[in-house]
Amino acid sequence: EPEVTQTPSHQVTQMGQEVILRCVPISNHLYFYWYRQILGQKVEFLVSFYNNEISEKSEIFDDQFSVERPDGSNFTLKIRSTKLEDSAMYFCASRLNGQVSGTQYFGPGTRLLVL
Amino acid sequence: AQSVTQLGSHVSVSEGALVLLRCNYSSSVPPYLFWYVQYPNQGLQLLLKYTSAATLVKGINGFEAEFKKSETSFHLTKPSAHMSDAAEYFCAVSERAGGTSYGKLTFGQGTILTVHP
Repeated sequence: EPEVTQTPSHQVTQMGQEVILRCVPISNHLYFYWYRQILGQKVEFLVSFYNNEISEKSEIFDDQFSVERPDGSNFTLKIRSTKLEDSAMYFCASRLNGQVSGTQYFGPGTRLLVL
Repeated sequence: AQSVTQLGSHVSVSEGALVLLRCNYSSSVPPYLFWYVQYPNQGLQLLLKYTSAATLVKGINGFEAEFKKSETSFHLTKPSAHMSDAAEYFCAVSERAGGTSYGKLTFGQGTILTVHP
């Protein structure tokens, strides 16, 4: 069964460093998402991406964050200058088509620790 | 803005007992509703969803949920818990088509289900 994959599973970085989190969505899916979950808190929406552009973003997704689909298979989340409060589990998700009721399929997550 | 509340961050049941995980939403228009499960070291997996057909929705692994508009609830149940049901469960909503959302999910805080022998 097709699945969303994410690499790395764990990432430790120093404050102020750039990190890139990678996701490979399900191959025929068209809508892509990033969510994050700070330890002990809710899963929060960060950004949605369709047709090579951001379709919606939350207030968390400030200028330090960017997303890209560089090669038609990968979907990346870049944090330019990490802060301590960026430590969280980051989930990528993909959805087949434009049906808002459609299922989002989630990857296993990348646990980011900023020291 | 939509919000989701899951009552009880931890629920503990005996194997074979009824599982009831509560979810209430806050939205002016009934949204689409989802239950996801997360097993250790895995991603979130869809259990079931309500999209405006039958109000009683059956999902995988024997789970079901009932949409009650009057109570703004979408509680998850399973008649008989199994040890393998131990996981974290998330209720989520998304705005209906025609709104300003592109399908983003708003999650509750999650409920950890423990099943003991």
